[in-house]
Amino acid sequence: GEDVEQSLFLSVREGDSSVINCTYTDSSSTYLYWYKQEPGAGLQLLTYIFSNMDMKQDQRLTVLLNKKDKHLSLRIADTQTGDSAIYFCAESSGYGGSQGNLIFGKGTKLSVKP
Amino acid sequence: DAGVIQSPRHEVTEMGQEVTLRCKPISGHNSLFWYRQTMMRGLELLIYFNNNVPIDDSGMPEDRFSAKMPNASFSTLKIQPSEPRDSAVYFCASSHLRRDKDTQYFGPGTRLTVL
Repeated sequence: GEDVEQSLFLSVREGDSSVINCTYTDSSSTYLYWYKQEPGAGLQLLTYIFSNMDMKQDQRLTVLLNKKDKHLSLRIADTQTGDSAIYFCAESSGYGGSQGNLIFGKGTKLSVKP
Repeated sequence: DAGVIQSPRHEVTEMGQEVTLRCKPISGHNSLFWYRQTMMRGLELLIYFNNNVPIDDSGMPEDRFSAKMPNASFSTLKIQPSEPRDSAVYFCASSHLRRDKDTQYFGPGTRLTVL
């Protein structure tokens, strides 16, 4: 069945770039997402990418998609202590496929050290 | 918009008691999802509804769990009887199927502790 894999932990120093990686199995995925969860809060959508795109940039965030390898990454430039959170990768089969269901990875806990 | 509203935010109960968690989705959304999050198992999808109809409840752990969506603006997740292993954070999320790229918007969660 569909599956999304992520590494569980990442530690970086403030000011460095962070790269969080994700692999997925559903080749029919239409959209891929990155969600952020801060302590004690729900998941918040950070960004998404359509499957026919290779890259999407949004301020400090860069999403790269390698559809051939089913690999998605999120790069955070100039990482700040406020970026410390759990980051979830998710995939959707889009319209008429999964009927709106998303498959989430287990999340990568990003720790930013001053 | 107020976003997805969940109540209560925290619930502490004793084993064997009935627990009801409530969710109000974003107005105009037609899909609603219930998730459970624990340290051990991560984020698990329990059940989801499209247009108030349950589509997939394969994630509901046992018959002790039930969910209803009587109308487009309200859903409940009930656990009866509750057990200590049900302790978790329960999230509700909503989306508009076929619009907004299936983006799900999450509520703040209900932290359930069963003693």
